[in-house]
Amino acid sequence: AQSVAQPEDQVNVAEGNPLTVKCTYSVSGNPYLFWYVQYPNRGLQFLLKYITGDNLVKGSYGFEAEFNKSQTSFHLKKPSALVSDSALYFCAPSLGPGNTPLVFGKGTRLSVIA
Amino acid sequence: NAGVTQTPKFQVLKTGQSMTLQCAQDMNHNSMYWYRQDPGMGLRLIYYSASEGTTDKGEVPDGYNVSRLKKQNFLLGLESAAPSQTSVYFCASRVYSGSGGELFFGEGSRLTVL
Repeated sequence: AQSVAQPEDQVNVAEGNPLTVKCTYSVSGNPYLFWYVQYPNRGLQFLLKYITGDNLVKGSYGFEAEFNKSQTSFHLKKPSALVSDSALYFCAPSLGPGNTPLVFGKGTRLSVIA
Repeated sequence: NAGVTQTPKFQVLKTGQSMTLQCAQDMNHNSMYWYRQDPGMGLRLIYYSASEGTTDKGEVPDGYNVSRLKKQNFLLGLESAAPSQTSVYFCASRVYSGSGGELFFGEGSRLTVL
């Protein structure tokens, strides 16, 4: 069965510093991997995805993520954090075509301090 | 472009009452999903529909039923509400189940069962 782990419930970072939100997964086959963001009292919004190709994926709002097959990780990164990046971030793997829906991690709350 | 619309946004029920959460999407997506979000639990899949007229159970289907009679609508029913069903419910859609396409989420429906 596929599973996903976000080992940190909370990540605190100073504005202007780089940020990393970690995600590891357990999925057989070739995974599709997604990151979503949720702002307070809102639905989830798509940030970026890895399907195939370059292991470094760039997405919305300056975020990027690196797919590491050997470590089964898909960490979300941003070179310089903004206070407005403070939100709840979810990692979600999928098995790919013809398989089950996305399974979401429990989320990591990012707090960027001015 | 409205995207995914959920109604109602807020609802308070007494134990044992029934209700239906409605979800409509205007993107001609084939697949639709119902998730619930609880603190510390992330998003958990209740039911999904890969295409019009088909539905499948997700991780936490007990106490719920669904209906996908029209491609653009996906209804989530609670026949006899319980306090454990107090949660925020999110509807989402994507082009195809298991595809590389991202999920589009509604703004959520906050349900309280007393």
